Amino acid sequence: DTEVTQTPKHLVMGMTNKKSLKCEQHMGHRAMYWYKQKAKKPPELMFVYSYEKLSINESVPSRFSPECPNSSLLNLHLHALQPEDSALYLCASSQDIGGVYNEQFFGPGTRLTVL
Amino acid sequence: KNQVEQSPQSLIILEGKNCTLQCNYTVSPFSNLRWYKQDTGRGPVSLTIMTFSENTKSNGRYTATLDADTKQSSLHITASQLSDSASYICVVLLNAGNNRKLIWGLGTSLAVNP
Repeated sequence: DTEVTQTPKHLVMGMTNKKSLKCEQHMGHRAMYWYKQKAKKPPELMFVYSYEKLSINESVPSRFSPECPNSSLLNLHLHALQPEDSALYLCASSQDIGGVYNEQFFGPGTRLTVL
Repeated sequence: KNQVEQSPQSLIILEGKNCTLQCNYTVSPFSNLRWYKQDTGRGPVSLTIMTFSENTKSNGRYTATLDADTKQSSLHITASQLSDSASYICVVLLNAGNNRKLIWGLGTSLAVNP
């Protein structure tokens, strides 16, 4: 299995809602990533987990809360979001955060709309 | 400043034709360079990854070249198909000890018309 899956595909939420994005991989990768991508822009790194521990937080607002329950799963909990948080949220995984190639495999993304 | 610049910004070609996309980078220290294909609203898909010692790498109809001296890369697409319509993004991995970071270009938007 060489796939990263993300659910849901689309999510619409109000500014007072609490929701979660889910990401799963079964490639035995020990590094997992969350990215945010706005239209016609490259993905922006949000968080990196390495061996289930948060390794990098790119100064992301606390209304985004990541969680890595085990080596195959990565969640992103959302609370009190703003309309400007509407974007495509991408999950990726790689064998680890080191290595020569550090090839990252991306999921299909969750299209989030905040009303 | 660590940057990746791509050209052209957009490109329209006819089905069956070849095309070449360009990438210039100023990332240092350089670890590797990758090309991704991204369909609208979908996640990027890796096409090739090259380290500084690799000059050419192919993946089907996609061939990437890398000149580490001039810090330039190109992606050549042969015999284009309608499904090649997508954004092609050049990404360089910066590797400075504990600071490993992907530096993304803005992409070239390719449209293949019948």
